[in-house]
Amino acid sequence: EAQVTQNPRYLITVTGKKLTVTCSQNMNHEYMSWYRQDPGLGLRQIYYSMNVEVTDKGDVPEGYKVSRKEKRNFPLILESPSPNQTSLYFCASSFRGQSSTDTQYFGPGTRLTVL
Amino acid sequence: GQQVMQIPQYQHVQEGEDFTTYCNSSTTLSNIQWYKQRPGGHPVFLIQLVKSGEVKKQKRLTFQFGEAKKNSSLHITATQTTDVGTYFCAGRGNTDKLIFGTGTRLQVFP
Repeated sequence: EAQVTQNPRYLITVTGKKLTVTCSQNMNHEYMSWYRQDPGLGLRQIYYSMNVEVTDKGDVPEGYKVSRKEKRNFPLILESPSPNQTSLYFCASSFRGQSSTDTQYFGPGTRLTVL
Repeated sequence: GQQVMQIPQYQHVQEGEDFTTYCNSSTTLSNIQWYKQRPGGHPVFLIQLVKSGEVKKQKRLTFQFGEAKKNSSLHITATQTTDVGTYFCAGRGNTDKLIFGTGTRLQVFP
């Protein structure tokens, strides 16, 4: 089954404790991205990757890191989480990304709470 | 920078009533996509519009792309409880970046 998976689905952590949210897709998509969803603000892009070893900042990259060592995986890293990073996070992938008309396939989401 | 606004933010309707959400961009769009997110779920692609003035239908859903390619709308005829969720538009502008609207949350009362 074609899908985007994220882990963990729920996470409660404390300020400053490094964490990683994994994202994996099995559709051989070149393009992957991370979004955060907050009430009244819609989906805001954090980082995206056009292909392996190619990443770039989205609209709200501060406090986040990403890596793309393999085509299928695109982990999101919070080196020192803060309470304002409490949010619902979605990973998404598509075939050609931003320069095409391909649709985005979203993962199930990760709800993160930083105390 | 490019912004995509959606109105209304919330809409409560009685089952059987119609519903419309509007999407407006500060810049001309090359295309626009619509997504639906059920409560507790993730956004799921509904449709994409590319041409100026384009209209597409999916059963009770009608999607329009404005003549100037700066606005779009989603209209649902005779809503059902299964239509509950948040509807997002997402547009590609001159930067070729996909910008999501703020979403419209639809609640349908039986």
